Amino acid sequence: QVQLQESGPGLVKPSETLSLACTVSGASINSYYWSWIRQPPGKTLEWIGYIYYGGNTNYNPSLKSRVTISIGTSKNQFSLNLKSVTAADTAVYFCATGPGYSSGLDYWGRGTLVTVSS
Amino acid sequence: SYVLTQPPSVSVAPGKTARITCGGDDIGRKSVHWYQQKPGQAPVLVINYDSDRPSGIPERFSGSNSGNTATLTISRVEAGDEADYFCQVWDSSGDRSGDHYVFGPGTKVTVL
Repeated sequence: QVQLQESGPGLVKPSETLSLACTVSGASINSYYWSWIRQPPGKTLEWIGYIYYGGNTNYNPSLKSRVTISIGTSKNQFSLNLKSVTAADTAVYFCATGPGYSSGLDYWGRGTLVTVSS
Repeated sequence: SYVLTQPPSVSVAPGKTARITCGGDDIGRKSVHWYQQKPGQAPVLVINYDSDRPSGIPERFSGSNSGNTATLTISRVEAGDEADYFCQVWDSSGDRSGDHYVFGPGTKVTVL
């Protein structure tokens, strides 16, 4: 069974960088497609991007200039960096995975709330 | 960017059938995935690639996709089906680096 767990600060100051990690168990980071998705309170889901095959990435064009997804320092971990944050970046951030380039996302973490505020 | 539309809400009596639509330009040419999300929880994939049901999802959940509308159908609705439902597609523009997932705005299903 694949399990994912997000971790990182729950509060980030405006203009700073939001950094989160997703720890994976039950699967190898070198397989599948590993996504970050966010959901502002009371709103719909927004796909941020994914990393696959150990290092290739695709990003949502609306966030591409501020986002970096990378393999984490730990063996089975991937990370999200979102720079120059504003209050509009306040959301629950999920990591998730799917087996294919455009497949549904069949395993999700529980999500972590990140608030952007001074 | 590709735009998806969903009705904000659908109400259904227990035991009846709920149909949740997802509209998009020629969406029948894309693959649609559906998620169920209950309050405070992560989404759960209930339909993959238009009509495939992942392991563990009841047969009461089914999907179809044609023309400009994809539909998630929940038969014999139960109280536990009350949730938000989101559709999702892969928006492929031809430039692979710009391809990305798009989610619909979501439909709140209320069981009366």
